[in-house]
Amino acid sequence: DAEITQSPRHKITETGRQVTLACHQTWNHNNMFWYRQDLGHGLRLIHYSYGVQDTNKGEVSDGYSVSRSNTEDLPLTLESAASSQTSVYFCASSESGGGARGQYFGPGTRLTVL
Amino acid sequence: AQTVTQSQPEMSVQEAETVTLSCTYDTSESDYYLFWYKQPPSRQMILVIRQEAYKQQNATENRFSVNFQKAAKSFSLKISDSQLGDAAMYFCAYRSGVSGTYKYIFGTGTRLKVLA
Repeated sequence: DAEITQSPRHKITETGRQVTLACHQTWNHNNMFWYRQDLGHGLRLIHYSYGVQDTNKGEVSDGYSVSRSNTEDLPLTLESAASSQTSVYFCASSESGGGARGQYFGPGTRLTVL
Repeated sequence: AQTVTQSQPEMSVQEAETVTLSCTYDTSESDYYLFWYKQPPSRQMILVIRQEAYKQQNATENRFSVNFQKAAKSFSLKISDSQLGDAAMYFCAYRSGVSGTYKYIFGTGTRLKVLA
């Protein structure tokens, strides 16, 4: 069965370190998204990609970067982790075109920055 | 820019009863899609139901149904015969129907408690 996976599921790091969160999908979806979830804010879009070599900033992109070298993967990098980036991170994918069927989500990564 | 508002941070319902979660949105577009997602304590986001704006008929999935009022920009979720497993965060989401635009905009969520 097709799926979307994230790794690691839990991560503790120190302020200033570079951290990369992995996202891998086997749906063959063109569109991939990274969100962070914080209490009272719902899901906020960090970055998204509509295809290989395409990346776009979301509403809370400062301090984060992504790259898309193939269809399956969209890793999220925190260049220099800050305590404000402690959050739960979700990766999602969706198909292009009309008839939106919704996004498929990974299980999430809980990141703690000390 | 589009926005999605869920004005009820928390709701409670007695088991077997019916509850309605509210969602309003703001858009100038005529073609779009609306969704309700469920997030149980496991954190996994699960699609509950979807509605296409051009369809007047309200979507239904088993015990879950929506009341879609396009003119009022309202998209509420009704859960009938509530079960303990329905306890979760529920998020309303919007996606534009404009070609080439695939971002989803989420509300802040409503936490549903189901009382035994």
